[in-house]
Amino acid sequence: DTGVSQDPRHKITKRGQNVTFRCDPISEHNRLYWYRQTLGQGPEFLTYFQNEAQLEKSRLLSDRFSAERPKGSFSTLEIQRTEQGDSAMYLCASSSGQGARSGDNEQFFGPGTRLTVL
Amino acid sequence: AQKITQTQPGMFVQEKEAVTLDCTYDTSDQSYGLFWYKQPSSGEMIFLIYQGSYDEQNATEGRYSLNFQKARKSANLVISASQLGDSAMYFCAMSFSGAGSYQLTFGKGTKLSVIP
Repeated sequence: DTGVSQDPRHKITKRGQNVTFRCDPISEHNRLYWYRQTLGQGPEFLTYFQNEAQLEKSRLLSDRFSAERPKGSFSTLEIQRTEQGDSAMYLCASSSGQGARSGDNEQFFGPGTRLTVL
Repeated sequence: AQKITQTQPGMFVQEKEAVTLDCTYDTSDQSYGLFWYKQPSSGEMIFLIYQGSYDEQNATEGRYSLNFQKARKSANLVISASQLGDSAMYFCAMSFSGAGSYQLTFGKGTKLSVIP
């Protein structure tokens, strides 16, 4: 098990461009999460997948953001027409979802993708 | 709504000493989980310890222990015998069963610096 991986690790783009990030969760983890972390803050929830279904989206996820998880494996997060306010670290996490207690839902995080919008 | 408060933006501790990082939470849910994560300068969030709201005993994981006081809604992290490698940001987080996603709500974090 190699853990959660994210690609790219760093992305610099100009305002107005589209960017896409990829997340590969731990194999057989059916739950996948995207978070956004800005400087000096804790991560904030963006969206959640259970297998291939996107079941929850935060109000932070404007219509310029779209996420997919085809076949319930890797996931992509696309930001269209990027703005300077989108500059942040985008974190992906996965969990097995086994058990009914929230504690059985330990989330394992990837290294993140740091986005800089110029 | 769930809320996590970490009132210590930064903390210093001497190497080999113990340190307590504070965390209070606000929720109306009866079933919830409390987590602590460590984030080194590399950026990756590393899980440290978990406490369930119905767990009667405080959680411990090696040098980490969680001082859970349910009535006071606090979940402080205690690190014993601090090491230089403990220097990092520490985040308290909560999940609750009210949201099927078990998404995590994080505090703003505490920056811990271990002094040799």
